[in-house]
Amino acid sequence: EVQLVESGGGLVQPGGSLRLSCAASGFTFSSYAMHWVRQVPGKGLAWVSRISNDGSSITYADSVKGRFTISRDNAKNTLYLQMNSLRAEDTAVYYCARPGLRFAFDVWGQGTMVTVSS
Amino acid sequence: QSALTQPPSASGSPGQSVTISCTGTSSDVGGYNYVSWYQHHPGRAPKLMIYEVSKRPSGVPDRFSGSKSGNTASLTVSGLQAEDEADYYCSSYAGSYNWVFGAGTKLTVL
Repeated sequence: EVQLVESGGGLVQPGGSLRLSCAASGFTFSSYAMHWVRQVPGKGLAWVSRISNDGSSITYADSVKGRFTISRDNAKNTLYLQMNSLRAEDTAVYYCARPGLRFAFDVWGQGTMVTVSS
Repeated sequence: QSALTQPPSASGSPGQSVTISCTGTSSDVGGYNYVSWYQHHPGRAPKLMIYEVSKRPSGVPDRFSGSKSGNTASLTVSGLQAEDEADYYCSSYAGSYNWVFGAGTKLTVL
């Protein structure tokens, strides 16, 4: 079964750091670019970041550029999101997603909640 | 990287059709045929319903259809069923390996 499972969310103080993980299974992880998408409570989905299949190409949304770092370990079939200098507005459910159908996200994880609050 | 514009809500009775719009710019929706639509029930993972403007992934009922004209894409749900009640999001490729989502539309089946 194709599956993505996020972990690492939790409560963190403003200015703090957190690292999210996304474990992939059921498909050849190293063949796919991967993305992080978030949903602020009560708001819509927002694209966060994308990494190419080999990690050589990375892009970020303006809202997280310079603070978040996406990475991957193809040997461990795992995607990461290192989040630094966290702000209250980063509070959201964070999803990892696979763009398996021509720039569309065909596989999603269940999400992990990040709460930035003092 | 402004969010695509969607109506906050839409509704219809069982069996009716409803169309949800998604308006962007020539830099995203209007510039690429890479518009996708997602169904999201709270607490669950989003589900891909439409990709490349009008294509349906395997397993998605043909009651769901997509189209695009200029900078506006649309999702039409025909023959509304109770289980179609959910939040719907559009997304578009925006060039240079950037993506943008809409703010979401809450579909209510009356």
